[in-house]
Amino acid sequence: GAGVSQSPSNKVTEKGKDVELRCDPISGHTALYWYRQRLGQGLEFLIYFQGNSAPDKSGLPSDRFSAERTGESVSTLTIQRTQQEDSAVYLCASSSRGQGTSYEQYFGPGTRLTVT
Amino acid sequence: SQQGEEDPQALSIQEGENATMNCSYKTSINNLQWYRQNSGRGLVHLILIRSNEREKHSGRLRVTLDTSKKSSSLLITASRAADTASYFCATRAGGTSYGKLTFGQGTILTVHP
Repeated sequence: GAGVSQSPSNKVTEKGKDVELRCDPISGHTALYWYRQRLGQGLEFLIYFQGNSAPDKSGLPSDRFSAERTGESVSTLTIQRTQQEDSAVYLCASSSRGQGTSYEQYFGPGTRLTVT
Repeated sequence: SQQGEEDPQALSIQEGENATMNCSYKTSINNLQWYRQNSGRGLVHLILIRSNEREKHSGRLRVTLDTSKKSSSLLITASRAADTASYFCATRAGGTSYGKLTFGQGTILTVHP
């Protein structure tokens, strides 16, 4: 597709369950980012991938959060033992890294996670 | 914590008026970007201004950057109802041309027809 896609668009889960959120970046984009946005707030950075490695994981809030990226493409964000405070919209973005680019980030539509 | 702080938090204007939003940040930056978000979902990149630039235009958008005051402003001229959205500034740390963006809390703009 032409843009960043994320699935599912909405996820309702019970407290204590694990969830997986998926991001498909724009083809050819080597950089991929995960952000979290709580209701009425700005975006909080979670993790950044360059290729398949993650040089910056500083935003992951706890060891319940993990992410991986394979084939320099799809990324999965996993939240284990979900808590109510994990409820938020999880946004994925990708950007290219090449000569002359501004490295602007292209965002997906997000996954709205609700933990009951 | 969020580095950028926008003000006002909310702005309500009539169609045709200009809207000005401000952003302040705390550390040195490589560039500052403005994004728009509709209905609490995906963000759309509007404009990027580099740390060595002072002003930039794109259509009805005008962005200024004052690195001495660590502040930026976004002006939308001749606003339209379709401009109703949340607007965020985001900064990239100095010394990096890629990597994470640090977002402000956003300004909610409402343009009444």
